[in-house]
Amino acid sequence: GAVVSQHPSWVICKSGTSVKIECRSLDFQATTMFWYRQFPKQSLMLMATSNEGSKATYEQGVEKDKFLINHASLTLSTLTVTSAHPEDSSFYICSAPPGTDTQYFGPGTRLTVL
Amino acid sequence: AQSVTQLGSHVSVSEGALVLLRCNYSSSVPPYLFWYVQYPNQGLQLLLKYTSAATLVKGINGFEAEFKKSETSFHLTKPSAHMSDAAEYFCAVSGSGYGGATNKLIFGTGTLLAVQP
Repeated sequence: GAVVSQHPSWVICKSGTSVKIECRSLDFQATTMFWYRQFPKQSLMLMATSNEGSKATYEQGVEKDKFLINHASLTLSTLTVTSAHPEDSSFYICSAPPGTDTQYFGPGTRLTVL
Repeated sequence: AQSVTQLGSHVSVSEGALVLLRCNYSSSVPPYLFWYVQYPNQGLQLLLKYTSAATLVKGINGFEAEFKKSETSFHLTKPSAHMSDAAEYFCAVSGSGYGGATNKLIFGTGTLLAVQP
């Protein structure tokens, strides 16, 4: 089956530092990947669509300079939270579609900013 | 634009009882619809999907859902609840007017299912 991994699974950082989260498709290639964030006891909110070889598409209200997305290859997308602040603490989840009708999700990354 | 409404943020059933989680969607074009399950501190696992084929869709772990266009619904059911079914369930619709997994998903607010012994 389609497997998507994320690294790290959890990270704690100090306010003002940057954090990089990796999303990998392990057994398929993905020209498109998606990044979501989820606050406690809430639903997933799409942040951006990551496109291999081109710029990411950000949802309205998401700061592109704060959440840098790089889709370096057909199996890897990275999300960098720059100058992180406590309000950026959240659960970040990526997804990727191996085909044309289903997205598969990574296990998520818990970010805590002190 | 697409949207999803999940009625009931919390549902509690007894072990062995019927599970019914409600999902209504709004879409101006034929949608793709999905149910995902999330266990604490984990990502989402696909339960089942409707992609314009059979209206009654069977998924993993004994779950199924029926697409009813006239009611714009895609309710999730399971005949007999098991303790391991306790989790958060999300209904989602593809965000593009043309469906397809390469388009963004719009999620409902989720339903937390509790299973009582």
